[in-house]
Amino acid sequence: DAGVTQSPTHLIKTRGQQVTLRCSPKSGHDTVSWYQQALGQGPQFIFQYYEEEERQRGNFPDRFSGHQFPNYSSELNVNALLLGDSALYLCASSRQGARTEAFFGQGTRLTVV
Amino acid sequence: GENVEQHPSTLSVQEGDSAVIKCTYSDSASNYFPWYKQELGKRPQLIIDIRSNVGEKKDQRIAVTLNKTAKHFSLHITETQPEDSAVYFCAASSTRGSTLGRLYFGRGTQLTVWP
Repeated sequence: DAGVTQSPTHLIKTRGQQVTLRCSPKSGHDTVSWYQQALGQGPQFIFQYYEEEERQRGNFPDRFSGHQFPNYSSELNVNALLLGDSALYLCASSRQGARTEAFFGQGTRLTVV
Repeated sequence: GENVEQHPSTLSVQEGDSAVIKCTYSDSASNYFPWYKQELGKRPQLIIDIRSNVGEKKDQRIAVTLNKTAKHFSLHITETQPEDSAVYFCAASSTRGSTLGRLYFGRGTQLTVWP
């Protein structure tokens, strides 16, 4: 079991550009949540996908969008990048239902210059 | 929405001593409380969790306590070792309702264990 995998691990983008980050959930998991972790802070919830639909959304602008595919993998897209979008983006997978243990990927370090 | 406060922000202990990290939450609907350990440059790793129907849970040197009435929970590490040095995050979540599975994190505690 490879656990939760994310790609790429590091990324440098210019202000105004667009970026796509990818996540493959742990085997047996059907729910993917995305978090943004700024330096020295706790992860902040961006949104959650289940059954290919966005189920919940945190306090992030519409520039942040996502998608979930039939194999449960997910993408996070950020348009019109700002310097403040520089952060570690974490994907967490879990199973819907009573048990909600979430397992995190290693993250994508995004730097906007 | 839920608000999780975590204290202290930094904690230094001597190897072999105990370490305690405390968190409070605001939403009585929260019923699942995981703790994550994050080493520098690595992913957050789930180290222990507790559900609201339990007051205490222990796993070797790590224990977590929950006081639902006061809405606070704590992480206890005994016999600390240098490899326990990391940032620890508490989180709160609900297993039902519109925020099912969403984790609300504290700001983290940097634990340093000196040999």
